[in-house]
Formats: sequence, structure tokens, C-alpha cells
Amino acid sequence: KNEVEQSPQNLTAQEGEFITINCSYSVGISALHWLQQHPGGGIVSLFMLSSGKKKHGRLIATINIQEKHSSLHITASHPRDSAVYICAVILGGSQGNLIFGKGTKLSVKP
Amino acid sequence: EADIYQTPRYLVIGTGKKITLECSQTMGHDKMYWYQQDPGMELHLIHYSYGVNSTEKGDLSSESTVSRIRTEHFPLTLESARPSHTSQYLCASGTLWGNTIYFGEGSWLTVV
Repeated sequence: KNEVEQSPQNLTAQEGEFITINCSYSVGISALHWLQQHPGGGIVSLFMLSSGKKKHGRLIATINIQEKHSSLHITASHPRDSAVYICAVILGGSQGNLIFGKGTKLSVKP
Repeated sequence: EADIYQTPRYLVIGTGKKITLECSQTMGHDKMYWYQQDPGMELHLIHYSYGVNSTEKGDLSSESTVSRIRTEHFPLTLESARPSHTSQYLCASGTLWGNTIYFGEGSWLTVV
């Protein structure tokens, strides 16, 4: 069993739809990243969370430390949101290495 | 915007050739990482460093080697490339005591 599980693996939505991507983890963490990877490879960190909720434009990320669960929401989705979204947890402890989920491939159709 | 750069972005080389993938960051970060990612698959850590003269192997066994002679530079070398090394290689960096991480654009390597 992977230490970081994401769902769904693939997601197709119509432009304007509300989207939710989920991430569950089974290890102790100090923080969690939601990453976005566009075709061509580059990765950008959208959010880093250690508690609560963060919002940036149409993107909202939440984390529940007790339940070891995080969600990424996209409101009013747009074709330019099409990308792979990756949940990555930072292990607790001094080393702080990352463990990645397998990613959710999102395709938003016009 | 992240100041972390990888070269080359795309490379096709023959089997047996030696290749070095370059990664540089101008943010003064102590932590640097190399990840390998096959298309459609998750990232796997192959090497990391917490500072000058510090290098460690990651979770995924790799025939590559790294060096960290300067803080800003973390090159990855394949002494003898094989088709099984065909993949995308992503470099990343972060502060020693923080949780932020920045990724380079990636280097796509094809070994023929």
C-alpha cells in the first residue's frame, strides 16, 4: 500500500465544473504540498499546508491532520487547469524528505 | 518565480555514452534533490544533498552519481547510458529548515 494515495487517478470535467481531488496519507508529516505538472514536465507548488485551509484564486486546499487527509478544489474550472495534480507529503523529522502520490490527471473540456 | 535551472532540457544520446545533467539554483538553498519520473508515473527520489560535500542515495536505485561541490550546483552523471535510463529527470531545491520546494523544468533523456 502506498503511503500517499490520491483519487481519482483520472478526471475529465466540463469547463465551469467544481473539481475535487483527494489525498490520504499514512505517515507522520510536517507539511503537505499540492503540486501542478503541465505537459512538458515542469512542476510548480500550488500550496503548502500544515493545517487548515488555503485559497489562491480559484484554487482551495484543505488539510485535516487528525484524519490524514487533504483535498484540492478548483472552482469554475477552465481548460488551462488541465494538468497533473500531485499530492506530496513532507515527512516529519529532521530530514524532511518528500513522498509523492501518483498524481491525478485532470482534463477540462471547453 | 523559482530560480532553479536544468540543462539540457531534451537530449538524445547513444548507448554507452557519458552524460551529465546540470542543475543550478540561485536561491542559496541547502537541500537539493534529483527525481526520476517515467511518463504517467510518480516521481522517485534518486539522490539528495543537504549541503556542500553531502550526497545521499534516494529510494530508487540508480546507476547515476551526483556531486555537490558548490551550494548552487548539483549535477547528475550517468557514466554509461543505457536505454533503461530513458526518462525525465527533475531537480528540486529547498531550504534546510523550511518546507518549501522548487522544481526545475526537467530534463528529458532518451537513450537509443
